Amino acid sequence: KQEVTQIPAALSVPEGENLVLNCSFTDSAIYNLQWFRQDPGKGLTSLLLIQSSQREQTSGRLNASLDKSSGRSTLYIAASQPGDSATYLCAVVISNFGNEKLTFGTGTRLTIIP
Amino acid sequence: EAQVTQNPRYLITVTGKKLTVTCSQNMNHEYMSWYRQDPGLGLRQIYYSMNVEVTDKGDVPEGYKVSRKEKRNFPLILESPSPNQTSLYFCASSLTGTATGELFFGEGSRLTVL
Repeated sequence: KQEVTQIPAALSVPEGENLVLNCSFTDSAIYNLQWFRQDPGKGLTSLLLIQSSQREQTSGRLNASLDKSSGRSTLYIAASQPGDSATYLCAVVISNFGNEKLTFGTGTRLTIIP
Repeated sequence: EAQVTQNPRYLITVTGKKLTVTCSQNMNHEYMSWYRQDPGLGLRQIYYSMNVEVTDKGDVPEGYKVSRKEKRNFPLILESPSPNQTSLYFCASSLTGTATGELFFGEGSRLTVL
């Protein structure tokens, strides 16, 4: 059974700093890995999707990397801003006999201190 | 505006009283899915649908039913709600499925079963 872990559960950093969020998964036979952000009381917003054949994806100040062999992904946020405060979740997709299965981590709650 | 709409957003009900949470998307997406989010457990998939009239169980389908009679709608039915179904529910959709497509989420429906 695929397990997805995000450590730490919470992180506080001063505004302007660069930071890295971690995601690890137990089954390396994945289709892709996605990063989401969730604001309090809101749904999830997709940030980046990395296909299994890719090593990284970039969007603005965000860069996500994927190392399938070690079962790890990182989300790098450059020059953090207070608006980046949110919970960040990673999710992996595997295929089981033609059925897609998406498994989420429990998230890292990020606070950017002005 | 492209969106996934869930209703109701908040609901308090009593044990055993059947309820339906509606989900509608206006993006002509083939894939739709339901998740529940609980503290410490993260998001868990309840049911998903790859296309009209095609539905499959996720990780926690017990106590729930779904139907996909039209492409845009994917209602979640709780035939006889119980207190352990108190949770935050999210509907999501994707153009072609989670293996290749970005996932779009609704704002969530907070359900309390007394």
